[in-house]
Amino acid sequence: AQSVTQLDSQVPVFEEAPVELRCNYSSSVSVYLFWYVQYPNQGLQLLLKYLSGSTLVKGINGFEAEFNKSQTSFHLRKPSVHISDTAEYFCAVKGLTGGGNKLTFGTGTQLKVEL
Amino acid sequence: GAGVSQSPSNKVTEKGKDVELRCDPISGHTALYWYRQSLGQGLEFLIYFQGNSAPDKSGLPSDRFSAERTGGSVSTLTIQRTQQEDSAVYLCASSLEGGPPSGANVLTFGAGSRLTVL
Repeated sequence: AQSVTQLDSQVPVFEEAPVELRCNYSSSVSVYLFWYVQYPNQGLQLLLKYLSGSTLVKGINGFEAEFNKSQTSFHLRKPSVHISDTAEYFCAVKGLTGGGNKLTFGTGTQLKVEL
Repeated sequence: GAGVSQSPSNKVTEKGKDVELRCDPISGHTALYWYRQSLGQGLEFLIYFQGNSAPDKSGLPSDRFSAERTGGSVSTLTIQRTQQEDSAVYLCASSLEGGPPSGANVLTFGAGSRLTVL
């Protein structure tokens, strides 16, 4: 089974500042990794994903994440945030081998961008 | 359809009543998930259907909760004898599973069914 840890439940940041949202996972098999975003009063949508290949993946709205296998991390970054990035961000992991590996979500990080 | 459809969008019920929530996934998606999201809380996994395999029910909080998926498509989540703590938004999501193409394993979420138990 896999698990995901998002250590920061809330991250306040000023507009135009950089931000990093941390995600660590645990798995005995290879994984796919995802970040989903939920804007206020909206549904969840995919921000970016790592399936294979380059460990640096780029997503929508200028976000990127880097898969670090040795540190079992998949931190989300943006060099300059905007007010509109205020949302809840969820990291998720899915094991590749074995049957019935469900997608497992972390508890979420609330990003609040302030002026 | 083009997206994941959930009904009803809002349901208000009295404590002790049974409720049924419906999810119509994207056509051809083999995997279907149910999650629960309470106010200010993260995503709580409830149940996972994958093709013809036995569902993963490990997240169902009690035996009052059950779900089925008929014909590999539509799913219903049933909550019997509802309690106030069952009040939440119930989210359904579907995806293709397995290896490539790159669209596989990406969940598409429905808008959710907001349940309020009085």
